[in-house]
Amino acid sequence: QKEVEQNSGPLSVPEGAIASLNCTYSDRGSQSFFWYRQYSGKSPELIMFIYSNGDKEDGRFTAQLNKASQYVSLLIRDSQPSDSATYLCAPRQRDNYGQNFVFGPGTRLSVLP
Amino acid sequence: EPEVTQTPSHQVTQMGQEVILRCVPISNHLYFYWYRQILGQKVEFLVSFYNNEISEKSEIFDDQFSVERPDGSNFTLKIRSTKLEDSAMYFCASTPGLAYEQYFGPGTRLTVT
Repeated sequence: QKEVEQNSGPLSVPEGAIASLNCTYSDRGSQSFFWYRQYSGKSPELIMFIYSNGDKEDGRFTAQLNKASQYVSLLIRDSQPSDSATYLCAPRQRDNYGQNFVFGPGTRLSVLP
Repeated sequence: EPEVTQTPSHQVTQMGQEVILRCVPISNHLYFYWYRQILGQKVEFLVSFYNNEISEKSEIFDDQFSVERPDGSNFTLKIRSTKLEDSAMYFCASTPGLAYEQYFGPGTRLTVT
């Protein structure tokens, strides 16, 4: 059973602060890791993805991956109220022909003005 | 920008009835997926579809479910005899290839009464 764990939150941060979202996964075959954002009642939308150990930056977002620890995180710098949403971690296994995502339960982020 | 579309946005049906949820994936995409999300819970994989056949399915995707790509553009999910517990948001997703992210449609909210 592939497990993906995230703190459900809510994680509350003041506007302008750094929000740190964490995710652990059980499937060592996971090769790529996707972060999706989901507003209430809406579909998931891609924030960014990472394949290699280390950091990957995209604007205000930084994804960090440590495959040895089976840990991936998302940092959001200069958090804005519009970042308030649920963030879904989704590892994907390369050898899986179907390539479906196994989503974590999500962390609800609240950015306070 | 191309997007995945889904119809209807909301479907209400009585228990035991058949429903068909429709999706139009992005035109040059080759892999198609259905996910569901029960209110307040995580996004769960149902089925993936490639080259006109199911490539993977989850335990949720039992004999009551079927998928079809009838005409080269639509991708449908049929539930033969709906149960109360089928009430959820159903998301369709597509991707051009296995190395790419999945693009999600806006979802169909299914309510079984």
